Amino acid sequence: GAVVSQHPSRVICKSGTSVKIECRSLDFQATTMFWYRQFPKQSLMLMATSNEGSKATYEQGVEKDKFLINHASLTLSTLTVTSAHPEDSSFYICSASETSGSSPETQYFGPGTRLLVL
Amino acid sequence: AQKVTQAQTEISVVEKEDVTLDCVYETRDTTYYLFWYKQPPSGELVFLIRRNSFDEQNEISGRYSWNFQKSTSSFNFTITASQVVDSAVYFCALKGSSYKLIFGSGTRLLVRP
Repeated sequence: GAVVSQHPSRVICKSGTSVKIECRSLDFQATTMFWYRQFPKQSLMLMATSNEGSKATYEQGVEKDKFLINHASLTLSTLTVTSAHPEDSSFYICSASETSGSSPETQYFGPGTRLLVL
Repeated sequence: AQKVTQAQTEISVVEKEDVTLDCVYETRDTTYYLFWYKQPPSGELVFLIRRNSFDEQNEISGRYSWNFQKSTSSFNFTITASQVVDSAVYFCALKGSSYKLIFGSGTRLLVRP
């Protein structure tokens, strides 16, 4: 149980284009999903918290117009990197917590998306 | 303030050796949760264990064991008889009253054949 999928796993795009990343909880409902960014050999940096049916909460320093988050259902959150530039190249990873489960404080992570902007 | 410290940046062992990964945390919350995650080269973070602040019992799961000591604010992770497949980055994390999961900087474990 508690499986989170992410799509695509890898994407290469040209500078200026937008890229959408999907995060799905496959076998549970997730009222809250989280989006992280990870640079090589570093820890995870929380970008935003996504709540179903409401606006996302962004961490300080994260541009909300740059990283659009939509949490349309209890099993799906999307992150859109708008007008991507080479500095946006990174590993993006989402997580979800089983809000009504026995351990709502546990975050289960997706496999991540490697974004390369040329 | 909440903080997780994993002082060991990299550890290299030979297969079948035992290895302990250290984790020290700071929090003022009386109720909190501690976690260990494994991140293999593929990138996915694999959940290993969750411990709440009221349960100091040590836990063993196969070759993995965890030692939670509130007196020293530590939650150490031991792998017994390490295997090459254990090679990964291991993250310790803390969740207190905040919605955030606070990660340590990670320990890269290399198990050599």
